[in-house]
Amino acid sequence: DADVTQTPRNRITKTGKRIMLECSQTKGHDRMYWYRQDPGLGLRLIYYSFDVKDINKGEISDGYSVSRQAQAKFSLSLESAIPNQTALYFCATSVQGANTGELFFGEGSRLTVL
Amino acid sequence: AQTVTQSQPEMSVQEAETVTLSCTYDTSESDYYLFWYKQPPSRQMILVIRQEAYKQQNATENRFSVNFQKAAKSFSLKISDSQLGDAAMYFCAHSGAGSYQLTFGKGTKLSVIP
Repeated sequence: DADVTQTPRNRITKTGKRIMLECSQTKGHDRMYWYRQDPGLGLRLIYYSFDVKDINKGEISDGYSVSRQAQAKFSLSLESAIPNQTALYFCATSVQGANTGELFFGEGSRLTVL
Repeated sequence: AQTVTQSQPEMSVQEAETVTLSCTYDTSESDYYLFWYKQPPSRQMILVIRQEAYKQQNATENRFSVNFQKAAKSFSLKISDSQLGDAAMYFCAHSGAGSYQLTFGKGTKLSVIP
């Protein structure tokens, strides 16, 4: 089983719908992240969390919200999806204090908003 | 702000040949880490190689090596004896030491020609 699990892997929805992408990890890492990948733009940070009580906005947080339900769970919500939120979304984790900067990624959730 | 630039959107290489992917970055930090991630069609993000900025020696991992030029802020990836399985998107990324996030380049799509 993957150490960082994202659900759903693929989702098609309509404009205006509320969508939640879920991420769970078994790595025991404190830090969790949500990135968005668009063709030609690389990966951009949406939100990150250092622990359950610490949530921070990233580069492109508008239109998104997150919830850190437990150390191992970090969900991303689109309250009212719009077509330009069509993208591949990645959850990632890292180790606090490791000072290596390395991220461990889930397998991605492809979201299509019609 | 940190920026990472990959100037080659696409590249191709003959199987068994060597290819070099370019990456430049801009940072105000004196201590940082640089990474190359591989994203095959399965879309999983896989760490290829990591370089600590304070180390002068270039990192190597089997057929993968980097040319780290700190003064020039350049971090290229060399793939030797290219294999069909090397075909993927390659992302260069930067992280400040103790930082909370990676900043990614836009990626280079590598094709391997049999």
